[in-house]
Order: sequence, then structure tokens, then C-alpha cells
Amino acid sequence: DIVMTQTPLSLSVTPGQPASMSCRSSQSLLHSDGKTYLSWYLQKPGQPPQLLIYEVFNRFSGVPDRFSGSGSGTDFTLKISRVEAEDVGVYYCMQSIQLPQLTFGGGTKVEIK
Amino acid sequence: EVQLVESGGGLVNPGQSLRLSCTGSGFTFGDYALSWFRQAPGKGLEWVGFIRSKAYGGTPEYAASVKGRLTISRDDSKSIAYLQMNRLKVEDTAVYYCTRALRFLGSWGQGTLVTVSS
Repeated sequence: DIVMTQTPLSLSVTPGQPASMSCRSSQSLLHSDGKTYLSWYLQKPGQPPQLLIYEVFNRFSGVPDRFSGSGSGTDFTLKISRVEAEDVGVYYCMQSIQLPQLTFGGGTKVEIK
Repeated sequence: EVQLVESGGGLVNPGQSLRLSCTGSGFTFGDYALSWFRQAPGKGLEWVGFIRSKAYGGTPEYAASVKGRLTISRDDSKSIAYLQMNRLKVEDTAVYYCTRALRFLGSWGQGTLVTVSS
């Protein structure tokens, strides 16, 4: 099984300031089709997860451009250029190279100072 | 608009059974494999199982942690997938979600809460 590890566990950010979080997989997420199957989700309090980024850097429909993803192989980063109050919640990375057994990282909790 | 609605959760005693439903709309239900996930209170997301579309045999696969106790099935004529949970344990307490089994999960239902407690 592929293990996903996220750091840090939590972030406290001043509105308007940037935030960054990391995700590491135990195996490369680069598929033979040339795509890298790493996606990011935000779970706001009391809500289901919502997709932010797929295939490392592609923003999902309706996701603000202050969210950006980068990385390759086993190391990935999600950045928020200017954090807003609505960005609070837990951010999860997920690997989908090993279908159907999808696995998530443990999450990074973002709070507003 | 793709929609998935989970239902059937509730409070049950350890050892009892429960059947959850996942009703899809806004897409051709039978064309897609479906996954089930769960999230225990205050914890992260765990993949529970998956069922292929009929075009790929309609067969399920399960996480090791639930294999033998959970069964996934589907009725494409009703656009519903089922998660039959038997011999429930306290540690099965969670919100259960279904999604289309894609490389990225753009559509989630609100989930249904299963509480296993005596």
C-alpha cells in the first residue's frame, strides 16, 4: 500500500499571508501514461471534502487561483498565495495511481490567526 | 450536475448489520465504478471498497480492514450502490461517503453517519 505523509500537522496563518504544506508518498505517483496521480482536497468543518487540485497542479473547476500545486515523483506541495478566512479546514492529499485502493494523507489543519 | 446522496446510517449495537445506499444522479450511473470511503470522528479519510461498472465485470474490492464483513453491490436500474455492513464493530463508527471511482474525486455527497455503540 502507498503511504501518504503530510506536514505540518497544523498551520496558523494571518489572513492575506501565504501558506504552504507538503505531502510525500512512499512510492512514485508517476504513472506509465505520463500523468502523476496526486490530488488535494479541502474539508471545511462539517462538510465533505472538496477537490482543489488534481494531477499535481491542475485546479478543479471553480477553485480560486490563489491555490496552486507543485511537485513530482514522491514530493508535492500545496500553496495558498493569500489565505482567506474561508480557507480554514483540513487539507488532504490523495494518491490515485494505485486504483482502486486510494489513500489519503493524514491532513494538515489550517487555522486563521 | 453530478450528485451522490448517501443514506441509511444510524445507531446500531455491536454485532448488528446495516445497509447504506448511494443514489447517483446527473450522470450515467452504470458507466462508472463507485467507491466507498469512511471518516471516523476527528480522523482522516479511509478507502473502504469499490465496485466496478458492469462493463468491467461489476466486481467489488475491499480494504483489508473490512474484508469479510462488508459487501458492495449495485443496481444500475435504480442508480443505487449499496454497502452492506455485517458484524459491526465500535470502530466502524464513521461518516460513510460514496464517490465515482475516478483518479480524482470531484463530487462527494454529504455522507451518512453510522454509530456503533451499546
